[in-house]
Amino acid sequence: DAMVIQNPRYQVTQFGKPVTLSCSQTLNHNVMYWYQQKSSQAPKLLFHYYDKDFNNEADTPDNFQSRRPNTSFCFLDIRSPGLGDAAMYLCATSRDRRVEQYFGPGTRLTVT
Amino acid sequence: GNSVTQMEGPVTLSEEAFLTINCTYTATGYPSLFWYVQYPGEGLQLLLKATKADDKGSNKGFEATYRKETTSFHLEKGSVQVSDSAVYFCALSEAGSGGGADGLTFGKGTHLIIQP
Repeated sequence: DAMVIQNPRYQVTQFGKPVTLSCSQTLNHNVMYWYQQKSSQAPKLLFHYYDKDFNNEADTPDNFQSRRPNTSFCFLDIRSPGLGDAAMYLCATSRDRRVEQYFGPGTRLTVT
Repeated sequence: GNSVTQMEGPVTLSEEAFLTINCTYTATGYPSLFWYVQYPGEGLQLLLKATKADDKGSNKGFEATYRKETTSFHLEKGSVQVSDSAVYFCALSEAGSGGGADGLTFGKGTHLIIQP
């Protein structure tokens, strides 16, 4: 089945220690998104790629970076995680802008 | 800017009860509207969608109709099951390819609890 895969499902990192979350898709979609979701809140868009074109949301902290080396993979890098960055990180894809998005299962990040 | 407002939860119902979760939106133009469902510890699953006025989206017994005159997209189900317990998010996507957000604008989510 075509799908969005996120690894790992659970990630524990130390305060200030860089961490990378990964996302892959077999849907061959053009657009890939990263959302942050804190407990009992709606997902918040951090950034997205339309093909190789990177689009950063205005209020995304500089601490968060992303890479998309090819169509299938996208990475979220947190350079110096703080306690406030503990959250569920959701990857999503869509075939084009402004149409339905398909989400992966998420990576729950804990910062100790 | 765009916004989505949905009823606060938790909403607690008995099995086989009728469900309505209200959703209203503010947007320019003609957005596409979605309902997503999130089960504990999982990502969001697309439940249904509607892309223009008077469209009805439906899936797994759930329905929602795009009402432009009332800017609403209420989610309904005739007979809920315990397995429907989850958090439900109403969301919109801007129309067209011009300026504005490319991501989804979500409501805050409604936690639904179905008791046997």
